[in-house]
Amino acid sequence: GQQVMQIPQYQHVQEGEDFTTYCNSSTTLSNIQWYKQRPGGHPVFLIQLVKSGEVKKQKRLTFQFGEAKKNSSLHITATQTTDVGTYFCAPGGAQKLVFGQGTRLTINP
Amino acid sequence: KAGVTQTPRYLIKTRGQQVTLSCSPISGHRSVSWYQQTPGQGLQFLFEYFSETQRNKGNFPGRFSGRQFSNSRSEMNVSTLELGDSALYLCASSLALLGEQYFGPGTRLTVT
Repeated sequence: GQQVMQIPQYQHVQEGEDFTTYCNSSTTLSNIQWYKQRPGGHPVFLIQLVKSGEVKKQKRLTFQFGEAKKNSSLHITATQTTDVGTYFCAPGGAQKLVFGQGTRLTINP
Repeated sequence: KAGVTQTPRYLIKTRGQQVTLSCSPISGHRSVSWYQQTPGQGLQFLFEYFSETQRNKGNFPGRFSGRQFSNSRSEMNVSTLELGDSALYLCASSLALLGEQYFGPGTRLTVT
């Protein structure tokens, strides 16, 4: 199955700072999904990237899929306290969805 | 549309017992996947059902099994419970195999 490494594991920022989490694979991915899980909640689907070099934006969130389709990133501009949670990447297209370990984002208001 | 529902929400069992968890997907979704979430291991894929057939399976022992009914509802069974089975069990439904997952609130299982 496809394995992904997600970094960093933890990130603490001041409110208003930017945040980026990376998802890296040793193999080419068919596509990749991103999820957010708030503390005490369940994962919520954010987006799916399919094309090489794809960039998608959702308000302050920018998602990128690498040209080689082996890595992806999620960037949040000017974080807000509502961004707190764990962000997971999950490569699809294999026989199972393999979620990364996630990046836990905490924010100092 | 109603979201994914899971019952029960909380469960306490003793080692050696068995447990059945239930999941009702979003209306129209034919794929149901199950995940185990623990602090140490993260979110791990158990299996996926589509049209009553198991299509994909994760690396879990045979004590973990599941099934899907004709109305797409799914159940997951864990036999001979071990302490290490204590976890949050999440169910997710999607329109397509390995498609975007819509998660339920989960069942928190504690094995004592």
